[in-house]
Amino acid sequence: DAGVTQSPTHLIKTRGQQVTLRCSPKSGHDTVSWYQQALGQGPQFIFQYYEEEERQRGNFPDRFSGHQFPNYSSELNVNALLLGDSALYLCASSGLGGLNTEAFFGQGTRLTVV
Amino acid sequence: AQTVTQSQPEMSVQEAETVTLSCTYDTSESDYYLFWYKQPPSRQMILVIRQEAYKQQNATENRFSVNFQKAAKSFSLKISDSQLGDAAMYFCAILGGTSYGKLTFGQGTILTVHP
Repeated sequence: DAGVTQSPTHLIKTRGQQVTLRCSPKSGHDTVSWYQQALGQGPQFIFQYYEEEERQRGNFPDRFSGHQFPNYSSELNVNALLLGDSALYLCASSGLGGLNTEAFFGQGTRLTVV
Repeated sequence: AQTVTQSQPEMSVQEAETVTLSCTYDTSESDYYLFWYKQPPSRQMILVIRQEAYKQQNATENRFSVNFQKAAKSFSLKISDSQLGDAAMYFCAILGGTSYGKLTFGQGTILTVHP
């Protein structure tokens, strides 16, 4: 059983560009959450998708947007990249609409903005 | 809203010894869950142990156990018989009962295990 998979693993972008990160949840999971983890810090919640809709959102600007597809996979899009967007982006999936309290994480995408 | 505080940026332990990592939290919810996650250099966040707030009994998972003090809003992790593979960043996290999977993490504690 494949766990949570994220792609790509590493990415380098130029300031002002746009980026799309992808996540496939663990089999049987329907809820996907995205987190940003700056170097040496704890992950910060960006937003969560359930039933193809954004259900919750953390304190992140509108430059951060996402999507969930019918197969429950998800994308995170960041527009007008800033140097401060450089971080590890983690995807977590959970089941039962998020009522299953155990979240499984992917290995993350390391985004570097230069 | 929830907050989680880990006051120990770094800890070290000798192999086979015991170490305790500290965590305090705050929440307005009466129903919540607490977690310890391990993040090795591979970056993948791995669940170590989970505690339901309504349970008075402290959770244990093999060499890992917690000391959950609900009134004090404290949730420490004890690692017994430390192994080299325990070296990692450890995060304390809370999930509110109405949060539907939204975790709030602490700042993390880097654990070094000396042979």
